[in-house]
Amino acid sequence: QKEVEQNSGPLSVPEGAIASLNCTYSDRGSQSFFWYRQYSGKSPELIMFIYSNGDKEDGRFTAQLNKASQYVSLLIRDSQPSDSATYLCAVNYGGSQGNLIFGKGTKLSVKP
Amino acid sequence: DTEVTQTPKHLVMGMTNKKSLKCEQHMGHRAMYWYKQKAKKPPELMFVYSYEKLSINESVPSRFSPECPNSSLLNLHLHALQPEDSALYLCASSQDLRREGIMDTQYFGPGTRLTVL
Repeated sequence: QKEVEQNSGPLSVPEGAIASLNCTYSDRGSQSFFWYRQYSGKSPELIMFIYSNGDKEDGRFTAQLNKASQYVSLLIRDSQPSDSATYLCAVNYGGSQGNLIFGKGTKLSVKP
Repeated sequence: DTEVTQTPKHLVMGMTNKKSLKCEQHMGHRAMYWYKQKAKKPPELMFVYSYEKLSINESVPSRFSPECPNSSLLNLHLHALQPEDSALYLCASSQDLRREGIMDTQYFGPGTRLTVL
């Protein structure tokens, strides 16, 4: 069964703090992992992608992947009110004809 | 440039109407996707086109009919829709389905907000 699990939140952090968003997935064969940000009423916007175990940093964002634990996370450093949005974790399933399965998203609120 | 455009932005239609949604990208991407997203839910895959051929149809009702006239364009033809089909319809594209065994990154358009009366 295809499952991508996220805590729906809301996750509330003060401005300047680190926000930690977590995602678990059920398919051990998954190889591609994506984080999208979606503002209310808008379309998903790619934040990060990660394929290899370990950390990947891009500006204030760090994606972490642990395939053994089937766990992927997104850290946002120095959180800003403009980071307030729903963060969607997406994972590929199904091999060569596979598709992207999204988690239900975590709503992040950064308080000034 | 990772721009995917969609028209119209908003569409209101009756259950007997026929309408079409249009998606366009000029990034040279060879894979294009249609997703449906209901409020407070994640996007759900509907169709995948790879090199202008239908690759995946996620058991979507026949009242939704996709078309890929060329590598830059993707249409979704709508006919006899139901009120429960009201949703945000998202188009996405990626350079290919997969590269070096890894699923390629998908970039989304702004979406069409569809309301069926």
